[in-house]
Amino acid sequence: AQSVTQPDIHITVSEGASLELRCNYSYGATPYLFWYVQSPGQGLQLLLKYFSGDTLVQGIKGFEAEFKRSQSSFNLRKPSVHWSDAAEYFCAVGPGGYNKLIFGAGTRLAVHP
Amino acid sequence: NAGVTQTPKFQVLKTGQSMTLQCAQDMNHEYMSWYRQDPGMGLRLIHYSVGAGITDQGEVPNGYNVSRSTTEDFPLRLLSAAPSQTSVYFCASSSSPGQGASQPQHFGDGTRLSIL
Repeated sequence: AQSVTQPDIHITVSEGASLELRCNYSYGATPYLFWYVQSPGQGLQLLLKYFSGDTLVQGIKGFEAEFKRSQSSFNLRKPSVHWSDAAEYFCAVGPGGYNKLIFGAGTRLAVHP
Repeated sequence: NAGVTQTPKFQVLKTGQSMTLQCAQDMNHEYMSWYRQDPGMGLRLIHYSVGAGITDQGEVPNGYNVSRSTTEDFPLRLLSAAPSQTSVYFCASSSSPGQGASQPQHFGDGTRLSIL
């Protein structure tokens, strides 16, 4: 069965520090992988996606993610976190692209000034 | 502004009542979907539609009905509300591969529903 695991429910970092949010997936075929961000009271916004090709993908707001097939992982990174990055982050896998997504439970990021 | 519009933003119902959550998009997207978001569980797909007149079940369809009479609208109906349906509901739309390069899902701002 397809599934997505985000091991960290809450993460707190200091502003300016680096960030890595973990995502592991279980999927039988080559997955389409996504990271979304949700600010309080808002819908989800797509940060980046992986469909194929280069395993290091760049997204909006300075985020990047690396697809590692051997580890079934798609971790999100940012070299220097800003206070405005405080939000909830969701990893998702889609069998057919953007549609019918399966989401992880989310990681809530807090940023200390 | 173009996007996905959900109404209402908040709603409180009593057990057994019915209601319809509205979703409209003005991007001519073929694909629309409904998710519910519960604490610690991420978003789960309820129903989806790949075009007008075509709908299918997602991961958690029980207790919900949908229809798709136009490309723009995709309402979600609760026929007899239950406390277990207390959640935040998100509608999303995207283009299908048949429309060219698939575009990411645009999400509405959500409907916060409480069932007493």
